[in-house]
Amino acid sequence: KAGVTQTPRYLIKTRGQQVTLSCSPISGHRSVSWYQQTPGQGLQFLFEYFSETQRNKGNFPGRFSGRQFSNSRSEMNVSTLELGDSALYLCASSSPGGAQFVVGELFFGEGSRLTVL
Amino acid sequence: QQQVKQSPQSLIVQKGGISIINCAYENTAFDYFPWYQQFPGKGPALLIAIRPDVSEKKEGRFTISFNKSAKQFSLHIMDSQPGDSATYFCAASMSGGNNFNKFYFGSGTKLNVKP
Repeated sequence: KAGVTQTPRYLIKTRGQQVTLSCSPISGHRSVSWYQQTPGQGLQFLFEYFSETQRNKGNFPGRFSGRQFSNSRSEMNVSTLELGDSALYLCASSSPGGAQFVVGELFFGEGSRLTVL
Repeated sequence: QQQVKQSPQSLIVQKGGISIINCAYENTAFDYFPWYQQFPGKGPALLIAIRPDVSEKKEGRFTISFNKSAKQFSLHIMDSQPGDSATYFCAASMSGGNNFNKFYFGSGTKLNVKP
């Protein structure tokens, strides 16, 4: 079974630009979460999607947004990039999710490393 | 506000020794406490997890000790091996409500096991 795939793996942007990151979850997984990883801060929750609906959101400014498609693939977008947005952005999928949800294992991709100059 | 505090930031252990990483939390609604292991260039992967109805869980050389009254939990790696050298993250989450897959992670511990 293929794992979580994130693209691109590396990218460099300048302040003020915007960026879109993509995530393909494990087949059959309908929940996709995004986390920002920075040195010393660990992983910070951005948002979670299930069946194309955002179910939860972390404490990030509105410049950070996301969406999920009908095939469960997800994208996140960061607009008006700032130097502090430089980080590793991790996508994780999980199963099963839904009304009888019980928190469980996250399966992470290898991340997209964003550098903002 | 860091909901899960992790220590130490880095740890050096000799091969065969015991590695101990500690975490503390504040929110008593947390009911799931996983540990993730991350190798350079890779995403974190679940190592072991515990729910608060037990005080200890062991899987091979890895053990979680959980102290509900102190709101602390720790990871013990017995007979540490150079292949265990990685960054370890503790995390906490709660079931139900609006908390779908929202995990609070510690800041990470970089473990270096010397041969």
